[in-house]
Formats: sequence, C-alpha cells, structure tokens
Amino acid sequence: EVQLVESGGDLVRPGGSLRLSCAASGFAFNTYRMNWVRQAPGKGLEWISYISSSAYNIKYADSVKGRFTISRDNAGNSVYLHMNNLGAEDTGVYYCARGTHSDIWGQGTTVIVSS
Amino acid sequence: DIEMTQSPESLALSLGERATITCKSSQSVLDSSNNNYLAWYQQKPGQSPKLLIYWASTRESGVPDRFSGSGSGTDFTLTISSLQAEDAAVYYCQQYYTTPLFGQGTRLEIK
Repeated sequence: EVQLVESGGDLVRPGGSLRLSCAASGFAFNTYRMNWVRQAPGKGLEWISYISSSAYNIKYADSVKGRFTISRDNAGNSVYLHMNNLGAEDTGVYYCARGTHSDIWGQGTTVIVSS
Repeated sequence: DIEMTQSPESLALSLGERATITCKSSQSVLDSSNNNYLAWYQQKPGQSPKLLIYWASTRESGVPDRFSGSGSGTDFTLTISSLQAEDAAVYYCQQYYTTPLFGQGTRLEIK
C-alpha cells in the first residue's frame, strides 16, 4: 500500500525547534519530489517546501525561508522538516505529500507553538 | 510570484445541481508543451486533502467522473456535474508551474 506517515509534531515554546518526519512506503521513494504543506487551524492549505528526488532542487515559501530546512534520506524512505525559531504563526497541521501535483498525502502531524 | 484567486469563497447547492468553482492565476501556468500546471484538491472535515484533477483536466484515478477540470493559461474551472451529499468539502486549486501556491479555498455546502 502506498502510504505516507508523518510524526514529530508537538507542543513547543516560541523560539523553539522541532523536527518532523515523514516515512514513505509502497512506492519508489527515490524517484519522487516530496512536499511539506501546512494548515493553520480553520485556515486553508499553505505549501511550505519541496525537495526534488535527488535533493538537488529545494524550494521554500517566503514564510519559512531561513527558519525551516527540508531534507531526505532515500535509503530510509523518509523526508524531514527541521523547524527553527518557531512562532505562533507556525501552529497547525503539517502534511507531507508526494510528487509534483501531490497525489498522495499523509494524515498530518500537529505542531502547536505556545508558551 | 504567481497569485491564485478562487471564487466563490463558498456556495450552497442542492443535491443533483451543478457546482462550478473558478480559479485565476496572475500569470500563465501553461508551458511550451501545452501543459497547464494546475491541480484541484478536495478536503473534507478532519481529513487530509485528496487530489482530484491535475494538468488542469486529468482526473486522478478513482475520482468519480462527475468531477471535471477545464481551462488554460490563467483561467480554470472545477465542475461537479451532479452534486452528491459526499461532495460537501473545501476545494482548493494549486499551481505548480513555479513555487507551488494554493488558492484560498472554496467551501461547498450541500443543502
């Protein structure tokens, strides 16, 4: 079964850091671009980052540039999102999604930034 | 940067009616090979988004054929031909021609 499973979401204080993980299974992970998309409570979807299959090409939304880092481990079929200097505006559900047009999504992991 | 504008923000229709949601991009998302880098997603409450349409008009496997996408360049439409109760959701367009960007979403209520 093709599947993405996110983990690592937590309650963190403003200014803190967190690393999210997304474990892939059931497909040739090393051939796909991977995305992170987030959703603040009651709000719409916000694409925040992607990493190409070889990790050669990486992009970020302006809202997270300089604070978040995406990486991947093709041997371990996982993609990561390292988040630093977190603020309340980073609170939400974080999804990983497969491919250029995001055909497979995980169930999401929740990040709450609060003191 | 490309901006995406969806309309309407919300709509309420009855079972069996046709729903039409539009999405406009501030720049063309059509490439030289005639591919429109535009996708549509459905998100039901408490669920992850689901891909419905990609390349503006290609229906994802398993998506009912009452869902269709059309348009080219900067103007796109998602049509649901005959609404079912399970179509109540928020619908998003997304361009992936440049740095990906979602529209703000359209909430569809079934009366």
